[in-house]
Amino acid sequence: KQEVTQIPAALSVPEGENLVLNCSFTDSAIYNLQWFRQDPGKGLTSLLLIQSSQREQTSGRLNASLDKSSGRSTLYIAASQPGDSATYLCAELSGNTPLVFGKGTRLSVIA
Amino acid sequence: KAGVTQTPRYLIKTRGQQVTLSCSPISGHRSVSWYQQTPGQGLQFLFEYFSETQRNKGNFPGRFSGRQFSNSRSEMNVSTLELGDSALYLCASTPLGTGQETQYFGPGTRLLVL
Repeated sequence: KQEVTQIPAALSVPEGENLVLNCSFTDSAIYNLQWFRQDPGKGLTSLLLIQSSQREQTSGRLNASLDKSSGRSTLYIAASQPGDSATYLCAELSGNTPLVFGKGTRLSVIA
Repeated sequence: KAGVTQTPRYLIKTRGQQVTLSCSPISGHRSVSWYQQTPGQGLQFLFEYFSETQRNKGNFPGRFSGRQFSNSRSEMNVSTLELGDSALYLCASTPLGTGQETQYFGPGTRLLVL
């Protein structure tokens, strides 16, 4: 059974700090790994998608990496801002199965 | 392009009633997936439709059903509501539903069952 784990469940950092969110998955036959952001009570916003053939993707202050051999992905956020406060979810897609989500990391950036 | 839209945004029902939720995908997208999000279980896949056919189904009871119309709009129905059905229901769309596409999510419908 595919499982996606995100650690820590919650994180609080001061504004300006660089931070890393972790995601681990069990299925090595991964198609892609997606990172999403969810604001309270809202839907999901796609941040980055990494195909299985790629090792990382970057968008602005965000950088996501994928290591299939170790079953890990990280989301790096540079120079964090209070507006980055949200829950960050990773999800993996393998074969013909639907997206499997982690429980998320709730990030608070303190001004 | 307009994003994924879901209606209604909020809904309050009582146990035993039924409910229908609607999802309009991004124009040109033919795959629509539905997810249930609860604090305890997180995001769980319900089903996926592509070109009016259910292509994949999650592990939910038969009370949960869905359909897709020729314009790719999708509806999901929950019959005989239970308290545990209270959740945020999200739909997502992609052009073809392959493994190489980003999923675009709507804002969700928050269902409260009393």
